[in-house]
Amino acid sequence: DTAVSQTPKYLVTQMGNDKSIKCEQNLGHDTMYWYKQDSKKFLKIMFSYNNKELIINETVPNRFSPKSPDKAHLNLHINSLELGDSAVYFCASSRLRGITGTEQYFGPGTRLTVT
Amino acid sequence: GQQLNQSPQSMFIQEGEDVSMNCTSSSIFNTWLWYKQEPGEGPVLLIALYKAGELTSNGRLTAQFGITRKDSFLNISASIPSDVGIYFCAGALNTGNQFYFGTGTSLTVIP
Repeated sequence: DTAVSQTPKYLVTQMGNDKSIKCEQNLGHDTMYWYKQDSKKFLKIMFSYNNKELIINETVPNRFSPKSPDKAHLNLHINSLELGDSAVYFCASSRLRGITGTEQYFGPGTRLTVT
Repeated sequence: GQQLNQSPQSMFIQEGEDVSMNCTSSSIFNTWLWYKQEPGEGPVLLIALYKAGELTSNGRLTAQFGITRKDSFLNISASIPSDVGIYFCAGALNTGNQFYFGTGTSLTVIP
């Protein structure tokens, strides 16, 4: 069964366009995330939502706007795409295991190429 | 956000050798996670650690939660070609909502 899924897997588009990436998790988790992975493979947190509420908003251009219609979905909309936006974007979700700890699971990634 | 120090940055080893990597932080964590990422895929959770000193295994993989809570270690025994990938550590606090990732260790296994 798919745990965290993202669409599309690949996205090739031109500068200036607007595009969206969708994410869904069927794990019953309360918190969802968007990460950006650059060419050096660093995983950089962009946003986090807990029960549809934005809780982490790192320094990201306001061309990036997350939307969480319900706690199982977190979409990422990007306006006016730039060359530097080319990267792999990962969705993730997490749950708390009581007060003892937490686990986070990732989607397969969306490779965005801006030309 | 904080990035954890992970070493080594890359490893080239012969099939059958054991592998060790570690992750250090300036902050205390309550959770340490280890992931493997293969080319074109998302990171896959390998091992989760929740107590200082805890040692947990998953097949040939063994990870430890450092006693100081500021570090964690991952060992892979008798490496095989399919162990190739990038291994990431991640730490999290009790609030559980934010994860801090290591810089990754790229593992190449030579048959």
